[in-house]
Amino acid sequence: SQQGEEDPQALSIQEGENATMNCSYKTSINNLQWYRQNSGRGLVHLILIRSNEREKHSGRLRVTLDTSKKSSSLLITASRAADTASYFCLALAAQGAQKLVFGQGTRLTINP
Amino acid sequence: DTGVSQNPRHKITKRGQNVTFRCDPISEHNRLYWYRQTLGQGPEFLTYFQNEAQLEKSRLLSDRFSAERPKGSFSTLEIQRTEQGDSAMYLCASSLAGTVPEAFFGQGTRLTVV
Repeated sequence: SQQGEEDPQALSIQEGENATMNCSYKTSINNLQWYRQNSGRGLVHLILIRSNEREKHSGRLRVTLDTSKKSSSLLITASRAADTASYFCLALAAQGAQKLVFGQGTRLTINP
Repeated sequence: DTGVSQNPRHKITKRGQNVTFRCDPISEHNRLYWYRQTLGQGPEFLTYFQNEAQLEKSRLLSDRFSAERPKGSFSTLEIQRTEQGDSAMYLCASSLAGTVPEAFFGQGTRLTVV
């Protein structure tokens, strides 16, 4: 695996607005995953996008992948207070060890 | 409960004492990971196992840290001669080996060294 780098480090928006977070990585990947972590808890897997996919939806989540730019974005539509959490991306290479290395994450705050 | 289970949830110990944490992964998962996380930071990789074999250990892990997974099921993480800098959340995750290893995390063990 390789470490994805999330951007921005922190994001604060009003409830109901859309939130967009970005992830960049360095080498070719097999798939990219997004995880959420509520304060003081373990990480929860949100969505996975394979390298041959460009966009994927799950409920209010939309993930895009641009392999030419080695980047991904996570869009949360119609944000809710419960979406307040840290979000991490995980870029997995096709070969080699898969030790699941996380970046620093994006800290999302939804204001009521 | 068929998720990843970690015990204890909280541990307060005096500096210099040894502590041991346990992780019970999802039963059919052959991969098990340990992470350390401090406030405001992402999970920091410590080590991972495939079955009972420890495949990689972070260079950040001093020789005071040791992890085992003797029968390829549960795992223990031991910290000897704890230091205040060891205070953190210790997270365990498990997954199936393969090209799409979705990881499932436990709730973590919060260690406070006083």
